Amino acid sequence: AQSVTQLGSHVSVSEGALVLLRCNYSSSVPPYLFWYVQYPNQGLQLLLKYTTGATLVKGINGFEAEFKKSETSFHLTKPSAHMSDAAEYFCAVTPMIYNQGGKLIFGQGTELSVKP
Amino acid sequence: NAGVTQTPKFRILKIGQSMTLQCAQDMNHNYMYWYRQDPGMGLKLIYYSVGAGITDKGEVPNGYNVSRSTTEDFPLRLELAAPSQTSVYFCASRSGTSVTNEQFFGPGTRLTVL
Repeated sequence: AQSVTQLGSHVSVSEGALVLLRCNYSSSVPPYLFWYVQYPNQGLQLLLKYTTGATLVKGINGFEAEFKKSETSFHLTKPSAHMSDAAEYFCAVTPMIYNQGGKLIFGQGTELSVKP
Repeated sequence: NAGVTQTPKFRILKIGQSMTLQCAQDMNHNYMYWYRQDPGMGLKLIYYSVGAGITDKGEVPNGYNVSRSTTEDFPLRLELAAPSQTSVYFCASRSGTSVTNEQFFGPGTRLTVL
């Protein structure tokens, strides 16, 4: 079965510092990959996704992620953190094949705190 | 467009009571989903639907039921509520042209069972 692991349930950075949120997946066939963000008391919204093609994917709010097949990873980065980036971030996958319904499998989430 | 709406926002139930969580979307999406979110566990899929009249179980369906009589609505029914069903419930929808299409989420329903 596919699974997603996010290293670190809490990450704290200073404003202006690099943000790095880690995501690894387990699958013999690389899945489609997503990052979603959840601001306090809100639903999730899509940050970015990897489907095919270029392995460096750019998303909203200055975030980007790189798909590394050899490392089965899809880490999320942002060069300079802003206070408004404080939120919970979820990595998710959806299998390319045998995926009736287009179901997403989520990691456990990483809460990002940004210190002034 | 209102997007995906959920009611109620909050609810407290007693053990053994029943309730229906409402979900509606106005984007004419074929696919709809119900997830539950527990601290440190991410989101787990409860049920999903690929169109009106068609539903299927997800990862954690026990204790829940769904129906999909229209494209717009996808209610989630809890029968005989248990403390283990204390959670935040999210409904989501997406268009059916590709599994990579974005899922749009509602604001959630926070349910406590005492």
